[in-house]
Amino acid sequence: QKEVEQDPGPLSVPEGAIVSLNCTYSNSAFQYFMWYRQYSRKGPELLMYTYSSGNKEDGRFTAQVDKSSKYISLFIRDSQPSDSATYLCAMKQTGANNLFFGTGTRLTVIP
Amino acid sequence: GAVVSQHPSRVICKSGTSVKIECRSLDFQATTMFWYRQFPKQSLMLMATSNEGSKATYEQGVEKDKFLINHASLTLSTLTVTSAHPEDSSFYICSALAGSTDTQYFGPGTRLTVL
Repeated sequence: QKEVEQDPGPLSVPEGAIVSLNCTYSNSAFQYFMWYRQYSRKGPELLMYTYSSGNKEDGRFTAQVDKSSKYISLFIRDSQPSDSATYLCAMKQTGANNLFFGTGTRLTVIP
Repeated sequence: GAVVSQHPSRVICKSGTSVKIECRSLDFQATTMFWYRQFPKQSLMLMATSNEGSKATYEQGVEKDKFLINHASLTLSTLTVTSAHPEDSSFYICSALAGSTDTQYFGPGTRLTVL
């Protein structure tokens, strides 16, 4: 079993839709949770960074962490064609530098 | 802030040659940098952890004599692919650890094609 599971998609939604992206994990020691956005042939860009359980909102993006269920989500409101990219979840333990990545979900927002 | 650059962005070389890729943290110091490899439509695979002033730590299965890493300063790490072969063709991405936020920031990647 992989430490981090993420549905690779692809996921296609119409412009303006709410997008829900999710990851599950098996290691209860993970405390830091991140979402990265990666456009084709570019490096990943940090979108959201959360510590432990709870919600964090930044503009159209909301990150949720449920440590009891080992489940994290990224919501994108009012999705735009420019949101079309691959979204990678990543997580790590306290005191460790190594990130554990999901496989990435490829999102297409259709105008 | 937290910008990481990579150079070159794309390189094509002949089989048997060596290629050096630079990774720089532009607006912060990074004692730790990471080198990843990414195949098409796949996630990032950590190759090695680069620590300033010391030897890199390689992941299992990564040949340290083939992928030479040097982290000579707090803002620069280099990856040299020695005696490159077509199977080394890939997208190489570095990241730098920002100590203030304990977060990795990624460079734009380098696409290596070995003919």
